Amino acid sequence: TQLLEQSPQFLSIQEGENLTVYCNSSSVFSSLQWYRQEPGEGPVLLVTVVTGGEVKKLKRLTFQFGDARKDSSLHITAAQPGDTGLYLCAGVRTGNQFYFGTGTSLTVIP
Amino acid sequence: NAGVTQTPKFQVLKTGQSMTLQCAQDMNHNSMYWYRQDPGMGLRLIYYSASEGTTDKGEVPNGYNVSRLNKREFSLRLESAAPSQTSVYFCASKKIQETQYFGPGTRLLVL
Repeated sequence: TQLLEQSPQFLSIQEGENLTVYCNSSSVFSSLQWYRQEPGEGPVLLVTVVTGGEVKKLKRLTFQFGDARKDSSLHITAAQPGDTGLYLCAGVRTGNQFYFGTGTSLTVIP
Repeated sequence: NAGVTQTPKFQVLKTGQSMTLQCAQDMNHNSMYWYRQDPGMGLRLIYYSASEGTTDKGEVPNGYNVSRLNKREFSLRLESAAPSQTSVYFCASKKIQETQYFGPGTRLLVL
C-alpha cells in the first residue's frame, strides 16, 4: 500500500488547457516535494513545500501544501508540450526517508 | 561534475543469478539512497545510508543488500535474483536539508 496516492494516474490534454494533479495521504509530512521525470532519466526536483497552507509558484506551475500537511496539489496553467512527463510527489517524514506517490503521467498534445 | 552515476545501464539476469548495482556521487553528499520504480507504484525506497558507515532499511528491503563502501559509493546487491525484482533501479544522494539528486537508472530484467 502506497503512503501517497496521486490522481489522476494518466492525463492527456490539449496544449493551452489547465490541469490539476492531486497527492493525498492519511499521514502527516514535515515537507512535500514535487518531481518531474522524463523517459529514461531520473526524477528532477521542481519544488519543496514545508509549511501547511503554503503556495509556491514556478512560472505556470502552482504548488499547494494542505493545511494539515497531509496532501498537496500541482496546478499547471496553459499546458505546453514541454510539460509532458511523469509527475511525482514525495513526502518527507524524517530528514532522510522519502515516500513517493504513485505518479501522474501527463501528455500535452500540440 | 558527473553528479550521480550508475552502472550498468541495462542488465538481463536469469532467476537465481546474483549481481551488484554500482552507484557513485561526486558532490560530497552525506546521504545516499536506492529506489526501485515499477509502473503505477512510483518510487519505493529499498535502502538508504544517512552517512558513511551506516545503512538502514526502507520500504522494500527484502531480497537486497547494500554496502556504503565510502562516502562516494553505495552499492546494491541481489544475491539470488527473482522475476519480481525486474524493475528500474535509481540511486540518489543529498546533503542534509538539501535537494535529492538522482542517477539515470539501471534497467534490470530477471527471466
